[in-house]
Amino acid sequence: QKEVEQNSGPLSVPEGAIASLNCTYSDRGSQSFFWYRQYSGKSPELIMSIYSNGDKEDGRFTAQLNKASQYVSLLIRDSQPSDSATYLCAVSNNDMRFGAGTRLTVKP
Amino acid sequence: KAGVTQTPRYLIKTRGQQVTLSCSPISGHRSVSWYQQTPGQGLQFLFEYFSETQRNKGNFPGRFSGRQFSNSRSEMNVSTLELGDSALYLCASSHDGQPNQPQHFGDGTRLSIL
Repeated sequence: QKEVEQNSGPLSVPEGAIASLNCTYSDRGSQSFFWYRQYSGKSPELIMSIYSNGDKEDGRFTAQLNKASQYVSLLIRDSQPSDSATYLCAVSNNDMRFGAGTRLTVKP
Repeated sequence: KAGVTQTPRYLIKTRGQQVTLSCSPISGHRSVSWYQQTPGQGLQFLFEYFSETQRNKGNFPGRFSGRQFSNSRSEMNVSTLELGDSALYLCASSHDGQPNQPQHFGDGTRLSIL
């Protein structure tokens, strides 16, 4: 079992729709959770962090964390073509471990 | 505030050679982590340095090594290069590497082994 697993995608949604990205992790001691966006040929860019159970909203992005289920998700509302990228889930305990990423395509 | 700076951006080497990559963290950041990114394996953790000491290490062979200087700049060295070492090598920094701190990435060094 991988330490951090993401739905492999690719995920394709129409412009204006909600994109839902999911991530599960195996280390119950994980304390911090992050979502990064990586455009093709670029480095990962932090878009959200979440540390406690529940929802955290930042603009069109909402991160959800459920530590009991070892599950974290990212919702992107009103998806735009510029959101097309690979989204990486990162889980931190003593070090940061990344999922393989989910490629999202938002079609105009 | 300047971001994380990695040099060089691109490198081409042949099998058996060695290579050194450099990373300058964001000013004030003392933790530097290195990752290898390949299409098949995703982002894999190599090691983390804090205050000139390696604090964490991933599951890579001893050919991969690193160090950190007193100004927090870090270098990564790969010896006896293999074809499979072709990858994007990313450096990320955070203030002091605590689990609640996000990491900020440089643009990476793309290493190609011929």
